[in-house]
Amino acid sequence: EVQLLDSGGGLVQPGGSLRLSCAAAGFTFSGYTFTWVRQAPGKRLEWVSTISASGAGTYYADSVKGRFTISRDNSKNTLSLQMDTLSDEDTAVYYCARKAGSSWLYGVDVWGQGTTVTVSS
Amino acid sequence: IQLTQSPSSLSVSVGDRVTITCRASQDISNYLAWYQQKPGKAPKLLIYAASTLQSGVPSRFSGSGSGTDFTLTISSLQPEDFATYYCQQLKSYPLTFGGGTKVEIK
Repeated sequence: EVQLLDSGGGLVQPGGSLRLSCAAAGFTFSGYTFTWVRQAPGKRLEWVSTISASGAGTYYADSVKGRFTISRDNSKNTLSLQMDTLSDEDTAVYYCARKAGSSWLYGVDVWGQGTTVTVSS
Repeated sequence: IQLTQSPSSLSVSVGDRVTITCRASQDISNYLAWYQQKPGKAPKLLIYAASTLQSGVPSRFSGSGSGTDFTLTISSLQPEDFATYYCQQLKSYPLTFGGGTKVEIK
């Protein structure tokens, strides 16, 4: 079965750090681009970051640039998001998700179940 | 690229026809996807390339449009369709989402 399993969320103080992970199964992980999307309570979905299949290309939303780092380990079928200098505006459910094909035309077709990050003192 | 969805919510009955619109602030060709999200769950891809139905999605869902104006239509709403629907543009980074349309039971 094709699936993504998010983990690593939790409660962290403002200014702190957290590392999210996403484990993939049921498909050839190294052949796909992945993205992180978050959703603050009661808010719209927000794209956070994307990493290419090789890992050579990374992209970030302005709101997280310089604080978050996306990475992947194709040998372990794992995607990560290192989040530093967290603020309460980063409180959200974070989803890892898979770009459906070689082109963004095909959308994002597989999503993790989400992991909750709460930034609070 | 900003995406404006309308309406933000609507109350409908089972069997009703539902139309949701998404307007982009600039031309995105057909780089638009529609997702369904139920409370506490991850989004689910319904439509990609503006009008192509994702595998396994019921044919009562359809999408249309190109350029800046797009529409998601549910031809006959079923009980399992009560959810929030989002559009997403995939033409350029940042990959923005619309504000969502919550479809509620009348």
